[in-house]
Amino acid sequence: VMTQSPATLSVSPGERATLSCRASQYISNNLAWYQQKPGQAPRLLIYGASTRATGVPPRFSGSGSGTDFTLTISSLQSEDFAVYHCQQYANWPPWTFGQGTKVEVK
Amino acid sequence: QVQLVESGGGVVQPGRSLRLSCAASGFIFGKYDMHWLRQARGKGLEWVAVIWHDESTQYYADSVKGRFTISRDNSNNTLYLHMSRLRVDDTAVYFCARDFFPRVFDSWGQGTLVTVSS
Repeated sequence: VMTQSPATLSVSPGERATLSCRASQYISNNLAWYQQKPGQAPRLLIYGASTRATGVPPRFSGSGSGTDFTLTISSLQSEDFAVYHCQQYANWPPWTFGQGTKVEVK
Repeated sequence: QVQLVESGGGVVQPGRSLRLSCAASGFIFGKYDMHWLRQARGKGLEWVAVIWHDESTQYYADSVKGRFTISRDNSNNTLYLHMSRLRVDDTAVYFCARDFFPRVFDSWGQGTLVTVSS
C-alpha cells in the first residue's frame, strides 16, 4: 500500500513544495512520480525515485529509498498546481499508486 | 511523437460488455508492453491490466480478473480491453499507457469514460 501525505498542500507561487509518499513494505528505489492536471492524463515526472523523465524541469526533484520518498518542487510555477501521484514498481503485479496529493494555490 | 488514442467508452448497463481500443502511433508498438489503467471520478489511479509486447503474458488486477481481457494487434498498432460483466464500480476513465523500463508508464492516452449505470 502506498500512502501519500498531505492530501492537499496549499503553497504560494515561488515557494517550495514537499510531498511525501510512504510504502507499506520495502521497495528499494522503485518509485515513480506523476503529475496530473484536471481533465488530463498523468505525466511521468520521476522514476527510480530520483531520475527526472525527459523534459521535466530541474525544479522537480525526487529522493528517498526503502519505504519513504519525497517529491520536492523547488519554486512553484503556475503550471505546477496539479495532483501528484506516486507509484511503486518493485512488486508487480499489481502496480500500485498512492491516493494523490493536490497542490493548490495558497 | 508518441500518441495513444482511446475509444469505445460510453454508458452501459450493469452486466453488459464493452470493448475499448487504444490506437498507437509514433513508436514501434510491437516492441513495447502495454497497460490499461483507470481512474474513478475524484479518485486515485488504479492499474487494470498489462500485456507483453509479444502477447505471451497478461496480468490483471484482482478487481477485474475473470471479467476483463486485454489483447493487442501489433499489425494494426492497437491495444484492446474487452470488459464483460460490468459493475457499477467499474465506472471510470480508462487510460492506455506505454510501459517504459523500469516498469513505469511514460506515455498515456487522453482517456475514455466508461459509465456503468442502469
